[in-house]
Amino acid sequence: DIQMTQSPSTLSASVGDRVTITCRASQSISGWLAWYQQKPGKAPKLLIYKASILESGVPSRFSGSGSGTEFTLTISSLQPDDFATYYCQQFNSVPYTFGQGTKLEI
Amino acid sequence: EVQLVESGGGLVKPGGSLRLSCAASGFPFSPYSMNWVRQAPGKGLEWLSSISTDDTYIFYADSIRGRFTISRDNAKNSLFLQMNSLRDEDTAVYYCARAPLRGYYFDSWGQGTLVTVSS
Repeated sequence: DIQMTQSPSTLSASVGDRVTITCRASQSISGWLAWYQQKPGKAPKLLIYKASILESGVPSRFSGSGSGTEFTLTISSLQPDDFATYYCQQFNSVPYTFGQGTKLEI
Repeated sequence: EVQLVESGGGLVKPGGSLRLSCAASGFPFSPYSMNWVRQAPGKGLEWLSSISTDDTYIFYADSIRGRFTISRDNAKNSLFLQMNSLRDEDTAVYYCARAPLRGYYFDSWGQGTLVTVSS
């Protein structure tokens, strides 16, 4: 199974900050990576797929990059609505594994 | 508008069974692969199972293989998860999720249904 490791697990930031979350795969997944945002009590929401393609309707302050085993999610200027938990997920091969999550807090 | 609505969760004793349903609307159901993902209380996301458009490809996580069965009824725009031999560690919110046509990531999710396994 491909293990996905996110860092950091918790990130403290302020409105207006630029933040980066890293996701590392235990083996190459090419660009088969997605990022999700989840708020408490809600379902996850797709932000980015194929490592860098922004899902329709997602603000352009979100961006993704990387390939192979190392990937990043960047929020260019944090907004109050962005404080949530973020997950990466590989869809290179079954089982489709998620990272453990990064909680972005004030 | 794409809608996925799960139902069938509840409280069940260890060793018991439940059948979850997911009703889809707002999009043509049959061309999409469908999936179940769960989240234990306070924990992260765990992919459980995927089913292709015509049942040709079905995949399971090791944690549920042999106990859970995924199925779909394209005529009724519905996805199912039959859960048998439930364990305490199966306690979670269960989400159905749609995979788009070119990849097993999840572009639409239901609101989730809570399954609690406890004596």
